[in-house]
Amino acid sequence: GAVVSQHPSWVICKSGTSVKIECRSLDFQATTMFWYRQFPKQSLMLMATSNEGSKATYEQGVEKDKFLINHASLTLSTLTVTSAHPEDSSFYICSANRLAGETDTQYFGPGTRLTVL
Amino acid sequence: SQQGEEDPQALSIQEGENATMNCSYKTSINNLQWYRQNSGRGLVHLILIRSNEREKHSGRLRVTLDTSKKSSSLLITASRAADTASYFCATPLGGADGLTFGKGTHLIIQP
Repeated sequence: GAVVSQHPSWVICKSGTSVKIECRSLDFQATTMFWYRQFPKQSLMLMATSNEGSKATYEQGVEKDKFLINHASLTLSTLTVTSAHPEDSSFYICSANRLAGETDTQYFGPGTRLTVL
Repeated sequence: SQQGEEDPQALSIQEGENATMNCSYKTSINNLQWYRQNSGRGLVHLILIRSNEREKHSGRLRVTLDTSKKSSSLLITASRAADTASYFCATPLGGADGLTFGKGTHLIIQP
């Protein structure tokens, strides 16, 4: 159990276009999902916290108008990179919280590799 | 925000040897987690240790936590080629917030 999927697994787009990435919890409900970004050979950096039915909370330095997050249901969160530019090329990973015992456990999706030409 | 620091940044050992990675963090935590990431893939949750625990085992993994030193270690015993990956420690930001990850240790197991 506790599987998180992402779609697409990779995407190549032209500069200026928008790209939508989906994150789904397949066998559990997640009131909270998280979006991370990872540049090559670097660690993951939290971008935003996505709460079902409310606005996302963005980390400092992350442009909310550029990275639109929608958490429309308890199993789906989407990240839209608007007007993508080459510097947005990165590995985007989502995770979903599931209460396991006394502690929230985060389950990570397989990631989406975005390449902006 | 706090950030974990792992050392070493890279570690190369022979198959069968033990691998030890360390992680330090800056503020008080409720728990600390270790993850593995194979090249270009998602993260796999390895083990979670709570702040009131000092040591935890899971198969060939042994994790220690020293809250007085704000440090943790991950020991992989009898390493295998399949253990080649990057290993990250992560601590929660608090409440329902996300995780802060360390810079990671890239482990290479040579056959």
